[in-house]
Amino acid sequence: DAKTTQPPSMDCAEGRAANLPCNHSTISGNEYVYWYRQIHSQGPQYIIHGLKNNETNEMASLIITEDRKSSTLILPHATLRDTAVYYCIVRVAGGGGADGLTFGKGTHLIIQP
Amino acid sequence: DAGITQSPRHKVTETGTPVTLRCHQTENHRYMYWYRQDPGHGLRLIHYSYGVKDTDKGEVSDGYSVSRSKTEDFLLTLESATSSQTSVYFCAIGTDLYEQYFGPGTRLTVT
Repeated sequence: DAKTTQPPSMDCAEGRAANLPCNHSTISGNEYVYWYRQIHSQGPQYIIHGLKNNETNEMASLIITEDRKSSTLILPHATLRDTAVYYCIVRVAGGGGADGLTFGKGTHLIIQP
Repeated sequence: DAGITQSPRHKVTETGTPVTLRCHQTENHRYMYWYRQDPGHGLRLIHYSYGVKDTDKGEVSDGYSVSRSKTEDFLLTLESATSSQTSVYFCAIGTDLYEQYFGPGTRLTVT
């Protein structure tokens, strides 16, 4: 699996867009980028994933650079409830998906009031 | 939220006793997983299942066993609990595309 690099922590003002970067310079062509987050004391929560096109859902947007070596998760209007540790994970998708996810240290996003 | 529950949510047990944690899903997903989370280590995979009676070991499987006799239930057993198994245990269910949905967790303390 490709290795990812994320800043250990970030601050963002409530109501502003939170942009969380992730570097994955060794990503392979068949590897997807996944984002999860974990709010204190809760189980991780799936946010979004993508291969090479930008993706958007009700929670966030995922922007993947053209060379796929980095990506940015965007929370468009951050609220205090978005304070969490955000994990960027790169992994091959498909039938071999049985063997779990590898969570790194992630980025601790703190939304300031 | 995905239909996934864990029981018990909290448990305190003594060293050497057997412990079984249960994960139950109502989503009919094929894949199920057990992770543990400890300070400084993040989430680590213990065991996973890719179907009824089909299981395999994860990164930290020593001291743990699992069983899956039906699609909706995945049991994690500590045959003889040790203090090093004090942790928060998360069950997850998953699809082929790695969208995993996690349960609320079980906080286990081994004294």
